[in-house]
Amino acid sequence: GENVEQHPSTLSVQEGDSAVIKCTYSDSASNYFPWYKQELGKRPQLIIDIRSNVGEKKDQRIAVTLNKTAKHFSLHITETQPEDSAVYFCAASMNNDMRFGAGTRLTVKP
Amino acid sequence: GAGVSQSPSNKVTEKGKDVELRCDPISGHTALYWYRQSLGQGLEFLIYFQGNSAPDKSGLPSDRFSAERTGGSVSTLTIQRTQQEDSAVYLCASSSSQGHNEQFFGPGTRLTVL
Repeated sequence: GENVEQHPSTLSVQEGDSAVIKCTYSDSASNYFPWYKQELGKRPQLIIDIRSNVGEKKDQRIAVTLNKTAKHFSLHITETQPEDSAVYFCAASMNNDMRFGAGTRLTVKP
Repeated sequence: GAGVSQSPSNKVTEKGKDVELRCDPISGHTALYWYRQSLGQGLEFLIYFQGNSAPDKSGLPSDRFSAERTGGSVSTLTIQRTQQEDSAVYLCASSSSQGHNEQFFGPGTRLTVL
């Protein structure tokens, strides 16, 4: 089955700096790669996703890149703000069979 | 429309008792997932239902854990003879087989085993 690894487990940045979270996956058949944000005490919510036919996708301050050959994908947050502080989960999926990474706790210091 | 709902929101039980947790997915979603999240930890996959196919039970941590999905809709996660290490938030999510596979999460059930 699919195995997703995520790094780093914790990340602390200064407000305004960029944050990068990286994930690798094992199953080359996976074709959908979402990122979820989970604020303290709340449920995970989708923030951005990318499909295997695309190398990069951007939505305002958030971007995701995918390297299918290397089987890794990354989340980039620019101009970080304190409200970006949360736990971020990557995932890899094929035909609705989705597996999550262990999560990254991002802290943005004002 | 209505999102994924779970009940109860909180459950406190004594060690050794059985508990049932319920998940109502978004109407029409064929895929349903259960995850366990211990305090400050990641999403531990438990079980996955897809339509009428046999569920993927590979994440269930022991034979004390079981889950059913009746009529392709509501699901119940049952934990028998609960142990203190079962204390966690149990999250349910559903997704559609149409379009992309975004999972929509429920609010979770916080289980505390005394």
